[in-house]
Amino acid sequence: GENVEQHPSTLSVQEGDSAVIKCTYSDSASNYFPWYKQELGKGPQLIIDIRSNVGEKKDQRIAVTLNKTAKHFSLHITETQPEDSAVYFCAASNQAGTALIFGKGTTLSVSS
Amino acid sequence: DTAVSQTPKYLVTQMGNDKSIKCEQNLGHDTMYWYKQDSKKFLKIMFSYNNKELIINETVPNRFSPKSPDKAHLNLHINSLELGDSAVYFCASGRTGANYGYTFGSGTRLTVV
Repeated sequence: GENVEQHPSTLSVQEGDSAVIKCTYSDSASNYFPWYKQELGKGPQLIIDIRSNVGEKKDQRIAVTLNKTAKHFSLHITETQPEDSAVYFCAASNQAGTALIFGKGTTLSVSS
Repeated sequence: DTAVSQTPKYLVTQMGNDKSIKCEQNLGHDTMYWYKQDSKKFLKIMFSYNNKELIINETVPNRFSPKSPDKAHLNLHINSLELGDSAVYFCASGRTGANYGYTFGSGTRLTVV
């Protein structure tokens, strides 16, 4: 089955810096890669996703890149703000309806 | 107008008890899921239902039994609760096909004492 590895497990940056979180996946059939943000006491919230027919997607300060050949994808947050502090999860699945398989999460801390 | 709602939000109970967690989605999604988040924040799939039919049943003790009375509801019943069942349980819903994305509920924090 699918296995998703996520690095780093913790990331501390200064406000205004960029943050990059990387994930690798094992199943070449996976074709959907979402990123979730989880704040304390809340459920994961979808922040951006990418499908395997696209190499990059951007939404304001957030971007995701996908390298299908290498089976890895990354989340890039630019101009970080204290409110970006949260746990971020990458995940993978295929569109046949199988469940999302999550990475182990990255705790991002943005200090002002 | 909550998209995926779970009840209760907190549940404290003694070992050996039986408890249920309810989940409802009003997004018109055809698939619903239960995930368990342990103390290290790892999110692990437990069950998946598509149009009331069980699709995924990961290696979960048979003390856990999901029930889907209709495609908008997926409840989780847990028998003979153990200390190791303490975790946050998340319900999620999604739509298979091209527009594929999950929406999570806010979670149920289960504490077994």
